[in-house]
Amino acid sequence: RKEVEQDPGPFNVPEGATVAFNCTYSNSASQSFFWYRQDCRKEPKLLMSVYSSGNEDGRFTAQLNRASQYISLLIRDSKLSDSATYLCVPYVAGNKLTFGGGTRVLVKP
Amino acid sequence: NAGVMQNPRHLVRRRGQEARLRCSPMKGHSHVYWYRQLPEEGLKFMVYLQKENIIDESGMPKERFSAEFPKEGPSILRIQQVVRGDSAAYFCASSPSSGEQFFGPGTRLTVL
Repeated sequence: RKEVEQDPGPFNVPEGATVAFNCTYSNSASQSFFWYRQDCRKEPKLLMSVYSSGNEDGRFTAQLNRASQYISLLIRDSKLSDSATYLCVPYVAGNKLTFGGGTRVLVKP
Repeated sequence: NAGVMQNPRHLVRRRGQEARLRCSPMKGHSHVYWYRQLPEEGLKFMVYLQKENIIDESGMPKERFSAEFPKEGPSILRIQQVVRGDSAAYFCASSPSSGEQFFGPGTRLTVL
């Protein structure tokens, strides 16, 4: 099993709609999680950190299910500017970060 | 507070030449990471360094690639005798300790 698995998409989302996607991880020792977004040919940018059961920041909500070893990201009221690849990163203290392949989201007018 | 800086942003080399990529971490960050991203692929970890020490180089190719993070100055990723397959975007990230990493804009290496 891969350390991190994400549906590559693309998720085609009408502007204003809600979209959610999951990330599964294999290391049960993962203590915290990061969601990054990466625009085409740009560097990844930290979107959200999750240290407990979840986190919410504006239109973005992350929820962690430790029993099933997955974390989800939900985007409400999608904007055209939300089009990007979303990278899930589970973290174990002292270890390197292992990036998933990402989920591509395309928000269309 | 300036972010992570990388230079050059674009680098063109002919096969067999050397490529040197530089990364200056954010102020106060002592941990540096290098990643490689091939076109249409995900980020692949290469090496993790702290000042003057290589902590984890499990993602580095065994030959031609080396990295350092000296006491003074930027971190350097060095690729000797480049080949076409080395063409990629190389991203550097830094963090104050372990955990959240902040990325530089990357260096796009093209090998002719």
